[in-house]
Amino acid sequence: GENVEQHPSTLSVQEGDSAVIKCTYSDSASNYFPWYKQELGKGPQLIIDIRSNVGEKKDQRIAVTLNKTAKHFSLHITETQPEDSAVYFCAASSITGNQFYFGTGTSLTVIP
Amino acid sequence: EAGVAQSPRYKIIEKRQSVAFWCNPISGHATLYWYQQILGQGPKLLIQFQNNGVVDDSQLPKDRFSAERLKGVDSTLKIQPAKLEDSAVYLCASSFLGVWETQYFGPGTRLLVL
Repeated sequence: GENVEQHPSTLSVQEGDSAVIKCTYSDSASNYFPWYKQELGKGPQLIIDIRSNVGEKKDQRIAVTLNKTAKHFSLHITETQPEDSAVYFCAASSITGNQFYFGTGTSLTVIP
Repeated sequence: EAGVAQSPRYKIIEKRQSVAFWCNPISGHATLYWYQQILGQGPKLLIQFQNNGVVDDSQLPKDRFSAERLKGVDSTLKIQPAKLEDSAVYLCASSFLGVWETQYFGPGTRLLVL
């Protein structure tokens, strides 16, 4: 099956700085890569996703990049705010496999 | 639009007891998922339904876990008998079609097995 690795496990940044979280995957058939944000006591919520036919996608302060050759993808958050503090998960799936794999999570703390 | 509903929110049981969780997905969503999230880890997919049928249950410990989705809407996940290592948050999610789309998660049921 797929193996999704995520780094770092914890990340602290000053408010206004950028945060970058990286993930690697093993299955070359994976073609859908979402990022979820999970706040304490809540279920994960999709913040951005990218498909394998696209190299980069941006939504306001959030961007995701994908390198299919190297099998890695990254989440970039610019101008971080305290409300960005949460646990972020990357994930990977393939339409043919019907499976869905989450990374191990990154706990992001934005220091005011 | 109403989100994914789950109940109960919290459950404490002793090992070897049984427990059941309920999930009501977003109206019109064909696919329903059950995940297990152990503290400090990412969610692990246990079972995926599309309408009434099971799409994938390869990671479901079938000797003690069972799940059903009657009439293609609500679903229940049961553990019998529970073990200490089953302590986790059980998340339910739904999507319009499949894993290649946005999944909408419920708040989860936090299970503690003593």
